[in-house]
Amino acid sequence: AAGVIQSPRHLIKEKRETATLKCYPIPRHDTVYWYQQGPGQDPQFLISFYEKMQSDKGSIPDRFSAQQFSDYHSELNMSSLELGDSALYFCASSLAGALYGYTFGSGTRLTVV
Amino acid sequence: DAKTTQPNSMESNEEEPVHLPCNHSTISGTDYIHWYRQLPSQGPEYVIHGLTSNVNNRMASLAIAEDRKSSTLILHRATLRDAAVYYCIPLYNFNKFYFGSGTKLNVKP
Repeated sequence: AAGVIQSPRHLIKEKRETATLKCYPIPRHDTVYWYQQGPGQDPQFLISFYEKMQSDKGSIPDRFSAQQFSDYHSELNMSSLELGDSALYFCASSLAGALYGYTFGSGTRLTVV
Repeated sequence: DAKTTQPNSMESNEEEPVHLPCNHSTISGTDYIHWYRQLPSQGPEYVIHGLTSNVNNRMASLAIAEDRKSSTLILHRATLRDAAVYYCIPLYNFNKFYFGSGTKLNVKP
């Protein structure tokens, strides 16, 4: 069965650079969620999209932005990177909300040096 | 949002049952209770969910207290592959999950 695809798997950036993470949800899933997981921490909700519109916002820094495109894939754009942005970034998708659960991707490991 | 309390860590022997408890005393009447687990360096994985009745699937069973203030995830026969962090998450407003501090399960051979 198709899963949630995230790219790249690993990314190394320098401070103050920009990074773009991509997420391809399961076909026919209409909602995408982004989470950030710092070292030794629990996943923190960043932002979600339903039918290409932002549906909810969590603890996402102003330096980050995201969107969902017409083909339902989503991109998380991160500018002016800081060392503290080093984390695993997970994307999840679902159909019609989260009632029946999310499917998570394998994540993108971002390292800021 | 409902708050949860789970033990920081638990240990089990391989092929024995494991009962992972979760307190969610502030849960509302419409909040479903979801359980996810996360293996090292992997994305969280859905395990099971329920509202009021006990639930079973191929991975686990979920026992929900009658007052819904607590629930227990039951792994009937733990394997080494079940070693993970287990998160109990009330689903607020059918919309999104807030991960709290889960239980790190260690399975001994």
